[in-house]
Amino acid sequence: LAKTTQPISMDSYEGQEVNITCSHNNIATNDYITWYQQFPSQGPRFIIQGYKTKVTNEVASLFIPADRKSSTLSLPRVSLSDTAVYYCLVGDRRPRSNTGKLIFGQGTTLQVKP
Amino acid sequence: DAGVIQSPRHEVTEMGQEVTLRCKPISGHDYLFWYRQTMMRGLELLIYFNNNVPIDDSGMPEDRFSAKMPNASFSTLKIQPSEPRDSAVYFCASTPRASVPTGTGKDYEQYFGPGTRLTVT
Repeated sequence: LAKTTQPISMDSYEGQEVNITCSHNNIATNDYITWYQQFPSQGPRFIIQGYKTKVTNEVASLFIPADRKSSTLSLPRVSLSDTAVYYCLVGDRRPRSNTGKLIFGQGTTLQVKP
Repeated sequence: DAGVIQSPRHEVTEMGQEVTLRCKPISGHDYLFWYRQTMMRGLELLIYFNNNVPIDDSGMPEDRFSAKMPNASFSTLKIQPSEPRDSAVYFCASTPRASVPTGTGKDYEQYFGPGTRLTVT
């Protein structure tokens, strides 16, 4: 499974856009990039997943360059409630793949300040 | 749907005692995962099942840990005997059937339960 590297922590202020970049230099052809969010005392929660280019949903956007060796999670106009740990993971999502497992790194602790 | 259900939510036990953690995955999900989270080691995958069959247990720390999935709606993680270093939050997660990708970006999303906070004294 490809290893990911992301900043340990980030600070931001309410209303700002936050971009968290993740490096995954050894990403494989069949790997997807997935981001999870974890609040204190809760289990991780899926945010967004992508393979290439840009993916956007109601929560975030995910930017993936052509070489796919990195990705950037973008959170528009963060609020205090976005304070959480954000995990970047890569893994094979093909049907019948036996690598349904995900390996969580240390994640990025985002602190949003008023 | 009620989501992934775990019980108990909190468990305090003495060293040497047997501990059993329980998980009910979301109905229709074919994959079930057990994770352990500590401050020192982060979130670690212990074992996962596909269609009730253990696929990868390489993350199980030692023989004191065992996991079973007797049917599609129930799984247990047992620690016997428990030790103080087993204190952690244990999460169960489930994932839908590995079918043709929907293109929505949410295929194989893992749905986590609320966790069981285990304290071994």
